[in-house]
Amino acid sequence: EDKVVQSPLSLVVHEGDTVTLNCSYEVTNFRSLLWYKQEKKAPTFLFMLTSSGIEKKSGRLSSILDKKELSSILNITATQTGDSAIYLCAVEARYGNKLVFGAGTILRVKS
Amino acid sequence: DTEVTQTPKHLVMGMTNKKSLKCEQHMGHRAMYWYKQKAKKPPELMFVYSYEKLSINESVPSRFSPECPNSSLLNLHLHALQPEDSALYLCASRLGPGSSDTQYFGPGTRLTVL
Repeated sequence: EDKVVQSPLSLVVHEGDTVTLNCSYEVTNFRSLLWYKQEKKAPTFLFMLTSSGIEKKSGRLSSILDKKELSSILNITATQTGDSAIYLCAVEARYGNKLVFGAGTILRVKS
Repeated sequence: DTEVTQTPKHLVMGMTNKKSLKCEQHMGHRAMYWYKQKAKKPPELMFVYSYEKLSINESVPSRFSPECPNSSLLNLHLHALQPEDSALYLCASRLGPGSSDTQYFGPGTRLTVL
């Protein structure tokens, strides 16, 4: 059965800190790994990582896929209070047409 | 138009009521999804529709009944729900079941069953 494990489960930092969120996975016929940010409502898409696109960056956020270690990290530099959210990692198998989510990391950025 | 819309935003219903949740997208996506999300938990997949046909049912109780009347619309009919069914119900869509894009989520319907 496909499985996604995220760590830490929760994290409190101060504005300006850099944080690293972890995601490890077990999936048969890996297709992609996705990161989402969820505040009060629906998850919003951050990054998709695949075998052909293992590193993505957008502003202060970046993500890397380690295919050998079956894991990914999400980095946020110079954190702001607006980064406070739940960060969800999900994987999709090649023939599954569904996402399997990890439990999420709750990030709280204090001013 | 790059969004998934869901109505209503909030719904309170009794255990004997029948209600429906609605999801709509006009992006030409041919795969649509229903998820259930409890507080402080990740979304759990319920159903997947591919080209208007049900392709995945994650052993969801029959009191939840999905329907896909056309390629833009996805409904979730609710009947005889239990209080433990209270949750955020999320709809998502993507270009196609085998496509390389991501799933786009709607804002969700927050359901409370009394």
